[in-house]
Amino acid sequence: EVQLVESGGGLVQPGRSMKLSCAASGFTFSDYYMAWVRQAPKKGLEWVASISYEGSSTYYGDSVKGRFTISRDNAKSTLYLQMNSLRSEDTATYYCARHRYLSFFDYWGQGVMVTVSS
Amino acid sequence: DIQMTQSPASLSASLEEIVTITCKASQGIDDYLSWYQQKPGKSPQLLIYDATSLADGVPSRFSGSRSGTQYSLKISRPQVDDSGIYYCLQSYSTPYTFGAGTKLELK
Repeated sequence: EVQLVESGGGLVQPGRSMKLSCAASGFTFSDYYMAWVRQAPKKGLEWVASISYEGSSTYYGDSVKGRFTISRDNAKSTLYLQMNSLRSEDTATYYCARHRYLSFFDYWGQGVMVTVSS
Repeated sequence: DIQMTQSPASLSASLEEIVTITCKASQGIDDYLSWYQQKPGKSPQLLIYDATSLADGVPSRFSGSRSGTQYSLKISRPQVDDSGIYYCLQSYSTPYTFGAGTKLELK
């Protein structure tokens, strides 16, 4: 059974950093693109970033480019999102997702909440 | 950036109806279009990918189609459990963009 479990969220002050993790199981992690998608409270879905199988290629949404870094550790079957210079508008639930063929998201984690506030 | 204009924003339907939700892309996206269902407090679930392919385990009452740059999700004889918010996603080019969502209420 495919499982994606996010961790690392919480309350953080504006301008500070936070790192999210996503532990994957139930599939060969290194065979798949992975991604982060977020959802602000009571709002719609927003794609944040994606990463290739070996991590050599990364892709970012305009609102996080230059501030967020997606990475992966295939030996640990873990996906990461390093978030720097956080803003109040980054407040959201962050979902880890398997990004099949860099096209659709076929499995999602349960999400982790990040609140950026002083 | 490719804009996905999703409509309607909300709808209320009976269990006997055929429900149709549409997403119009601002340019051609070569069927790189998927649909998701999200229930309150839950993560989204994949319904349709590549515009018309049904995801594993999704009931056959869900179907997808395309006419030009307009994509449609159809639910035939919806069930009460189909209530939720539906989103389309274009993955033709970055930044990948979702539609604004359609809130479906079954009565």
